[in-house]
Amino acid sequence: DADVTQTPRNRITKTGKRIMLECSQTKGHDRMYWYRQDPGLGLRLIYYSFDVKDINKGEISDGYSVSRQAQAKFSLSLESAIPNQTALYFCATSDSLGTGGPYNEQFFGPGTRLTVL
Amino acid sequence: GESVGLHLPTLSVQEGDNSIINCAYSNSASDYFIWYKQESGKGPQFIIDIRSNMDKRQGQRVTVLLNKTVKHLSLQIAATQPGDSAVYFCARNRGSYIPTFGRGTSLIVHP
Repeated sequence: DADVTQTPRNRITKTGKRIMLECSQTKGHDRMYWYRQDPGLGLRLIYYSFDVKDINKGEISDGYSVSRQAQAKFSLSLESAIPNQTALYFCATSDSLGTGGPYNEQFFGPGTRLTVL
Repeated sequence: GESVGLHLPTLSVQEGDNSIINCAYSNSASDYFIWYKQESGKGPQFIIDIRSNMDKRQGQRVTVLLNKTVKHLSLQIAATQPGDSAVYFCARNRGSYIPTFGRGTSLIVHP
């Protein structure tokens, strides 16, 4: 079973609609992230959360909001979708400092392909 | 500001050859540099990292070299296999361990 799951995997919606992308993880990690990937632009950070009570904006948070419902769940919302939010969205997790292991390793979900018409 | 970028968007190699994927960075204040591999239809997968005070680190079939003088990072893949075909991203971590990603190089392995 996948450690980081994302739903839906594909979504087509219209301009102005509210969309929620969900992420769940079974890795027991404290840290969760949402990234956006556009062709030729790599991965850009939207929001991140270091624990359930912690939410932080990334470099491109405008037009997005997040909710950390539990340690294992981190959802991304587009309040009013617009066409330039068409992209591939990835959720990721990582272990917190002090627990050993490769602190730099992030574990990514399979991605959600979102198309806004 | 800081940036991380790759030299070439596409690299084609023959199966069995060694591959070298390059990355340049603009700001020296990084704790770690990291390489990720992204196969088609999947999320990125961690390959290897290197602390900024190191010059070289080896993994299984991969070696990362860090040249701080010219602010250059490379990933060397030995005996490249078809399964190595993917997009490779370099990234850097500073302090909070939140990576900044480069734009990626697509590695194409020809049989």
